[in-house]
Amino acid sequence: DSGVTQTPKHLITATGQRVTLRCSPRSGDLSVYWYQQSLDQGLQFLIQYYNGEERAKGNILERFSAQQFPDLHSELNLSSLELGDSALYFCASQGRDRTTGELFFGEGSRLTVL
Amino acid sequence: GQNIDQPTEMTATEGAIVQINCTYQTSGFNGLFWYQQHAGEAPTFLSYNVLDGLEEKGRFSSFLSRSKGYSYLLLKELQMKDSASYLCAVRDDRGSTLGRLYFGRGTQLTVWP
Repeated sequence: DSGVTQTPKHLITATGQRVTLRCSPRSGDLSVYWYQQSLDQGLQFLIQYYNGEERAKGNILERFSAQQFPDLHSELNLSSLELGDSALYFCASQGRDRTTGELFFGEGSRLTVL
Repeated sequence: GQNIDQPTEMTATEGAIVQINCTYQTSGFNGLFWYQQHAGEAPTFLSYNVLDGLEEKGRFSSFLSRSKGYSYLLLKELQMKDSASYLCAVRDDRGSTLGRLYFGRGTQLTVWP
C-alpha cells in the first residue's frame, strides 16, 4: 500500500460525458502528479501540483483540467469524453525527501469510454 | 527536453540473469529511478541512482553512468513473478519542472519456466 488513494477504481461512461477522478496523496506529501496510461503505452505526464498550485503541465488536453485543494487532495476533470480517453489514470504523490523525489503511485482509475 | 530509450520487450528463463538498459538525455538530471509495473497495476519503486556506480538491493541491482547518459537494471535468479514492465525514469530539476520524473515507455519482461 503506497498510501495514495484514488477513486473510483473503475468507471464506465459514454462519449461526450464528463467525469471526475479523485486522489488523496500520502500524509504530508505536498506534490501530486497525474499520469495517463493507455493500452501498451508508457506513462504520459499530464499535470503536477505543489501545495495547491499548478507546477508543471504536460500533454494535457484542453478538455481536461485539474486542481489541488487546501487539504491537498486533487481532482482530475475529464470532459467531452472521447473513445481515445479510455485509459488508466494514475495519481502519484512525491515524497518530501528531496534527496530522491521518489513518486508513490495510487492504484489508478480505469476509465472506459463507450 | 528529455529523451529516454529502453527496449520494448525482453524474454528470459527462470533462474537466469537479465539486464535492461536505459539511455537518456536531459538537461537538469538529478537522479534515475527504476519502477516495476505489473499489468493493470500501479508502478512500484525498485531503485534510485544519483551518483555513478552500482546500487544493489537483493536480486535487483541498478547501475548509472552520468557521463554516458546510461543506466541498467540487473535482475538475478529470475522468477516467474518478475514478468512485468520495467520503467526507467529520470528526475529533472530545471526551473518550473522541479523534481519532475520523466518516464520511458517501459520494457516488458517475460520470464519463461
